[in-house]
Amino acid sequence: KNQVEQSPQSLIILEGKNCTLQCNYTVSPFSNLRWYKQDTGRGPVSLTIMTFSENTKSNGRYTATLDADTKQSSLHITASQLSDSASYICVVTEESGYSTLTFGKGTMLLVSP
Amino acid sequence: NAGVMQNPRHLVRRRGQEARLRCSPMKGHSHVYWYRQLPEEGLKFMVYLQKENIIDESGMPKERFSAEFPKEGPSILRIQQVVRGDSAAYFCASSRTVDHYEQYFGPGTRLTVT
Repeated sequence: KNQVEQSPQSLIILEGKNCTLQCNYTVSPFSNLRWYKQDTGRGPVSLTIMTFSENTKSNGRYTATLDADTKQSSLHITASQLSDSASYICVVTEESGYSTLTFGKGTMLLVSP
Repeated sequence: NAGVMQNPRHLVRRRGQEARLRCSPMKGHSHVYWYRQLPEEGLKFMVYLQKENIIDESGMPKERFSAEFPKEGPSILRIQQVVRGDSAAYFCASSRTVDHYEQYFGPGTRLTVT
């Protein structure tokens, strides 16, 4: 059964600090891995997408890494801002004929002043 | 270019009533996906549709749930005879083609069954 596990479940950091969120998956065959940011009451918004051949991708202060051999990914946030407070969701796509996604439960990040 | 639109944003139904959730994809997008997010759970795939066709409904409950994406108008997720366990956030996403990795999500419809 395809699964995506994220850790930690929740995290509180001070504004300006860095943090790293983890994602392990068992989805196979693998197509791509995405990180989404979901603000409370909103739909998920894509941060990064990585395919099998990519092991790092950046989007501003967000940097995602992928180790397809160990089936692990991380999302690193630098110089956190209050607006970074949200749920960060790891999503893995199976290599089928169409894009069905397996979602992690998310890491709830709270950036405090 | 407007994003994915969903309405209503909040819907309250009594047990046994019908719920209709609407999704208008982004302009130029012909692929629509519906997901359900239960409290404290990750999003779960329900159904994938192209215009007038259901491509994959493997995530849909076998009874009471149906979806359509007509040639004209929004995609509709229909839940008949709702029960308390149907209370959840329902998200719609759209993409330009099936090979286009990016799925854009709408803001969701929060269904509460009383």
